[in-house]
Amino acid sequence: GNSVTQMEGPVTLSEEAFLTINCTYTATGYPSLFWYVQYPGEGLQLLLKATKADDKGSNKGFEATYRKETTSFHLEKGSVQVSDSAVYFCGLIIQGAQKLVFGQGTRLTINP
Amino acid sequence: GAGVSQSPRYKVAKRGQDVALRCDPISGHVSLFWYQQALGQGPEFLTYFQNEAQLDKSGLPSDRFFAERPEGSVSTLKIQRTQQEDSAVYLCASSFRRQGGTEAFFGQGTRLTVV
Repeated sequence: GNSVTQMEGPVTLSEEAFLTINCTYTATGYPSLFWYVQYPGEGLQLLLKATKADDKGSNKGFEATYRKETTSFHLEKGSVQVSDSAVYFCGLIIQGAQKLVFGQGTRLTINP
Repeated sequence: GAGVSQSPRYKVAKRGQDVALRCDPISGHVSLFWYQQALGQGPEFLTYFQNEAQLDKSGLPSDRFFAERPEGSVSTLKIQRTQQEDSAVYLCASSFRRQGGTEAFFGQGTRLTVV
């Protein structure tokens, strides 16, 4: 089946620290991969996505590279800010399908 | 408003009670999705509509769950005879694309607590 496993949280960092949140997947088809973010009190928002192997998605200083050989899509940011505090969800969607498959989420807290 | 609106934001139900959760998608959006998010977990797919047609209901956990979108706009998720395991946040998402995908916009969700 299709599933996503991501780094367990919570993760607490100081401002300007380097961030990595690990994400690996299993898929029966050929997936697109994504990261969603949920800020406090808000709905889920698409952060970035990649549709094929070796593609890099990027947005708001965050990056993730689609690694087919390791079935991974790790989220990185070089210098986090307090405003990045949120819950981050890795996930996949099989091309041609409609439903999103999410990981369990990682809560990130950035301290000033 | 401009976004996906869900109501109520919070609902407390006694076990065995029926509940109805409403979703107002973004105007003109063709696709509508319902997801269930248990505490500490990621959202899990429940069902998908394209206009008024329910094309996929494979994620509905039991026949106590029923969703409708009769005019291809507002959708209602109904849960009959609620159980404690139904406690979760129910998320609605809509998309202008027929296949939805990552272009879907999510509402803030309805938090259901069954006591």
